[in-house]
Amino acid sequence: ETGVTQSPTHLIKTRGQQVTLRCSSQSGHNTVSWYQQALGQGPQFIFQYYREEENGRGNFPPRFSGLQFPNYSSELNVNALELDDSALYLCASSLRAGRYYGYTFGSGTRLTVV
Amino acid sequence: KQEVTQIPAALSVPEGENLVLNCSFTDSAIYNLQWFRQDPGKGLTSLLLIQSSQREQTSGRLNASLDKSSGRSTLYIAASQPGDSATYLCAVRKETSGSRLTFGEGTQLTVNP
Repeated sequence: ETGVTQSPTHLIKTRGQQVTLRCSSQSGHNTVSWYQQALGQGPQFIFQYYREEENGRGNFPPRFSGLQFPNYSSELNVNALELDDSALYLCASSLRAGRYYGYTFGSGTRLTVV
Repeated sequence: KQEVTQIPAALSVPEGENLVLNCSFTDSAIYNLQWFRQDPGKGLTSLLLIQSSQREQTSGRLNASLDKSSGRSTLYIAASQPGDSATYLCAVRKETSGSRLTFGEGTQLTVNP
């Protein structure tokens, strides 16, 4: 059973650019969430996808967008990058969207905006 | 607004000591609480998941308790080892916030040989 895999592991972008981060869910998991973790802080919820539809969104602007594919893998897209977008981006998958299920996290993508 | 607080922010102990990490949350209407471990610059590893109807969960040297009514959870680590050094995060899944997890800022644990 494979876990949650994220790519790339590290990324450096220039302010104003666009970036796409990728996530493969754990086998059998149909729900994927994205979190942003600034240095020294707890992760902050960006949004969740269930069956290819956005199923909840945190307090992030529209330039943060996502996709979920039929194989349950997912992308996080960030447009017009700002310096404050520098963070560790974490993907998490769950067996179901139901309330009793826990989440499995990937190793994250470290994004640096310069 | 659901707030999750973890105390202490940092903890340094000698190897072999038993220790307790604390997590408190302001809204007791939660589905479950999950404890994670995070090594520097890495992702989160799930340690224990406690449903709101449960009082505790155990895995090896780890034991997590949940007192939903008082908004508290503790993570007990027995016979600590240097390999336990990491940041420990708790996260709650609130009944009114759908699928999102709300995290504390973590406790950074150092176990000295």
